Amino acid sequence: QQPVQSPQAVILREGEDAVINCSSSKALYSVHWYRQKHGEAPVFLMILLKGGEQMRHEKISASFNEKKQQSSLYLTASQLSYSGTYFCGIANFGNEKLTFGTGTRLTIIP
Amino acid sequence: NAGVTQTPKFQVLKTGQSMTLQCAQDMNHNSMYWYRQDPGMGLRLIYYSASEGTTDKGEVPNGYNVSRLNKREFSLRLESAAPSQTSVYFCASRRQGNYEQYFGPGTRLTVT
Repeated sequence: QQPVQSPQAVILREGEDAVINCSSSKALYSVHWYRQKHGEAPVFLMILLKGGEQMRHEKISASFNEKKQQSSLYLTASQLSYSGTYFCGIANFGNEKLTFGTGTRLTIIP
Repeated sequence: NAGVTQTPKFQVLKTGQSMTLQCAQDMNHNSMYWYRQDPGMGLRLIYYSASEGTTDKGEVPNGYNVSRLNKREFSLRLESAAPSQTSVYFCASRRQGNYEQYFGPGTRLTVT
């Protein structure tokens, strides 16, 4: 089942912070985050594993709450380059298949 | 390294026509994937191949076939295209033991 992402879209001014959430109705083993700029391919940001540590990519960090079956992506002091659509993908242990959410479109304005 | 390459970049088909989308990677990755991306739907897995000689269905396999020709190449075939298959198709690959999937630039397919 597809994870649910919220919000669907957000507009920020440069320097502001944002949180993107990804929730699943099933128990999670791993949550993968990707960013896709308009007209381009998705690019991997980070992965969070069950029982693992919070991860970080530049000024973007993420957490994984196993009890709530939810992951959150935190964008701090956003830059223009952060604009794009963010997707979370979930997988079960040992499973090749990633099921992606419908995405969160982030627009950063100067 | 070219990474993951896909051909063609754009294609227009009439309903009922067939075509094959090609994907190749030069990173010696074991796993390869085909996704489709529709507005508001995110990325949905069509088929994947965990290694040369094996393929398996994803979420939306109906109307598609795949071939893992060798370790480098993974093709997606539409036998009888339908307007519902209008989409952007992405191929991806992943190295064994690593979680990151590397995506190709995509093929924009329109079926009229």
